[in-house]
Amino acid sequence: AQTVTQSQPEMSVQEAETVTLSCTYDTSESDYYLFWYKQPPSRQMILVIRQEAYKQQNATENRFSVNFQKAAKSFSLKISDSQLGDAAMYFCAYRSAASGANSKLTFGKGITLSVRP
Amino acid sequence: EPEVTQTPSHQVTQMGQEVILRCVPISNHLYFYWYRQILGQKVEFLVSFYNNEISEKSEIFDDQFSVERPDGSNFTLKIRSTKLEDSAMYFCASSSIRRYNTEAFFGQGTRLTVV
Repeated sequence: AQTVTQSQPEMSVQEAETVTLSCTYDTSESDYYLFWYKQPPSRQMILVIRQEAYKQQNATENRFSVNFQKAAKSFSLKISDSQLGDAAMYFCAYRSAASGANSKLTFGKGITLSVRP
Repeated sequence: EPEVTQTPSHQVTQMGQEVILRCVPISNHLYFYWYRQILGQKVEFLVSFYNNEISEKSEIFDDQFSVERPDGSNFTLKIRSTKLEDSAMYFCASSSIRRYNTEAFFGQGTRLTVV
């Protein structure tokens, strides 16, 4: 079974600074997807960024980028130019590609990010 | 932009009562999911549903739980006899049929409080 580990329960960043959130995972599969979801106080789950395991290039979405190290099974999220609205819980998630679109997401425990003005 | 909608946003129920949580997935999606998040804990998979049947379920999804797609738009989660430990945020999600770019889109969640 796949596992996702987020070992840092909390992090804090100064507004406009850069922060990196860590995530590691364990799998025996070679084809899978990795995601970062943001959960603000409203508790809705919002997709931040997605990475396909077969792609060597790290995904980027505006101020958000990932450092995907497949051999190390590491998938960290970098937030540049942090904004107050980035304060939220962030979840790393894994999805197998083996079953196609029907595979479930496996989540880490999440990390609470606070942004200091 | 299409979105997954869930009703109600908050439900309070007495222990032992039946509850039905409702979801309207994105219209062209064919895979549906329920997840649960107990306060302060991680999001846990409950069940996935495709082609009018359960594809996969977790250990949490015992005989007290059931899912149904009663018509072409709704997807429901029923808890037959609620327990205090069922208090949680319940998220519905859906995804499309495409092999790639099949991220799950989540609803805003239903907060279930069992008293």
